[in-house]
Amino acid sequence: DAGITQSPRHKVTETGTPVTLRCHQTENHRYMYWYRQDPGHGLRLIHYSYGVKDTDKGEVSDGYSVSRSKTEDFLLTLESATSSQTSVYFCAISESDRGYLTDTQYFGPGTRLTVL
Amino acid sequence: GIQVEQSPPDLILQEGANSTLRCNFSDSVNNLQWFHQNPWGQLINLFYIPSGTKQNGRLSATTVATERYSLLYISSSQTTDSGVYFCAVESGANSKLTFGKGITLSVRP
Repeated sequence: DAGITQSPRHKVTETGTPVTLRCHQTENHRYMYWYRQDPGHGLRLIHYSYGVKDTDKGEVSDGYSVSRSKTEDFLLTLESATSSQTSVYFCAISESDRGYLTDTQYFGPGTRLTVL
Repeated sequence: GIQVEQSPPDLILQEGANSTLRCNFSDSVNNLQWFHQNPWGQLINLFYIPSGTKQNGRLSATTVATERYSLLYISSSQTTDSGVYFCAVESGANSKLTFGKGITLSVRP
């Protein structure tokens, strides 16, 4: 357990509404990540952060934005949710202290989001 | 970007059997990790193994970076080993892991 929590754990929303998912860590790790998991695709990186206010895009960033105003919190926002964003969202942290090289990643419990 | 292929896609074992899961990747890597996703959805890091061999109980992993593959060995499998096993790699210093599509393992009592 790397002290990672996600909220909410489940959410059902309607197309066009904004949604924010929260990832919270207790151990001050520098790197945090948001992934989505869909059948047949494994896990795909949405966005990641390498420090407060420092974020970058991943493989599937369209339709998503992120913010990190504190070390412990990384927020993922769907500005206008679509049915294609129905997925399970995972937050992860990395203990990396080797510059830009990723170290062991630990995952939160996931958030199941359904967009109707 | 780098391609990650895992095989076989599905595997069914009888409890007590041994198995080998494979991960092939298309480019040189400086990071490779194996994860297990249990039937409740939780992702657990098994190994951080960019090269060489590591063992943890009944599980061991070997990465041959020069030949671009990694193997995860499960010995004396138990029903609790069921789930999906993912391989993930990082190529270059870009702080990003690319995941394979996973191998679904079912261990029957």
